[in-house]
Amino acid sequence: AQKITQTQPGMFVQEKEAVTLDCTYDTSDPSYGLFWYKQPSSGEMIFLIYQGSYDQQNATEGRYSLNFQKARKSANLVISASQLGDSAMYFCAMREDNSGGGADGLTFGKGTHLIIQP
Amino acid sequence: NAGVMQNPRHLVRRRGQEARLRCSPMKGHSHVYWYRQLPEEGLKFMVYLQKENIIDESGMPKERFSAEFPKEGPSILRIQQVVRGDSAAYFCASSPPRSGSPLHFGNGTRLTVT
Repeated sequence: AQKITQTQPGMFVQEKEAVTLDCTYDTSDPSYGLFWYKQPSSGEMIFLIYQGSYDQQNATEGRYSLNFQKARKSANLVISASQLGDSAMYFCAMREDNSGGGADGLTFGKGTHLIIQP
Repeated sequence: NAGVMQNPRHLVRRRGQEARLRCSPMKGHSHVYWYRQLPEEGLKFMVYLQKENIIDESGMPKERFSAEFPKEGPSILRIQQVVRGDSAAYFCASSPPRSGSPLHFGNGTRLTVT
């Protein structure tokens, strides 16, 4: 089974609108972390936001927020007031604290290609 | 404070040659990870190293691929006798020793095998 599922291969959004990028995850580990990374066309991976499984509040970083619904195992990324520079691939990733394999490493979803239109 | 440095940025090799990819982690980071990204795909974990130790290589192909992180110098991902299917972007990431820290990625090395 997929550990990280991103169901939106691509999204077109009008500039200044809010965007929600979906991410669901699968783990039996009670302790885990969820991450979002942005990959622009230049190729680098840029860390955006982190949510720990025991965090009580949703993470926020500037225009980015993470809508964490633990019971549904979802960790959607919300970008408010989108900008043209937000056009990129967005990857959701998970780190399981107590699993073997890639200890402290990340499992990535396939990504969502976000295009912001003027 | 320099980020994770990878070189070369682009590497072209003919089938059968060797590819060496280098990664210098961020200052203070002792954990290094290598990932591979095929076109239109997410990143796939290959190997996790600490200084002079391979902690987890469960994502590494059994043959032709090796990685090291010596006491001095960068981490090296080595691919011997490259084949066309090795063409991909290879990303290195580093993190500090404490658990829960995000991984910081380098800009990647794009390997093309002709």
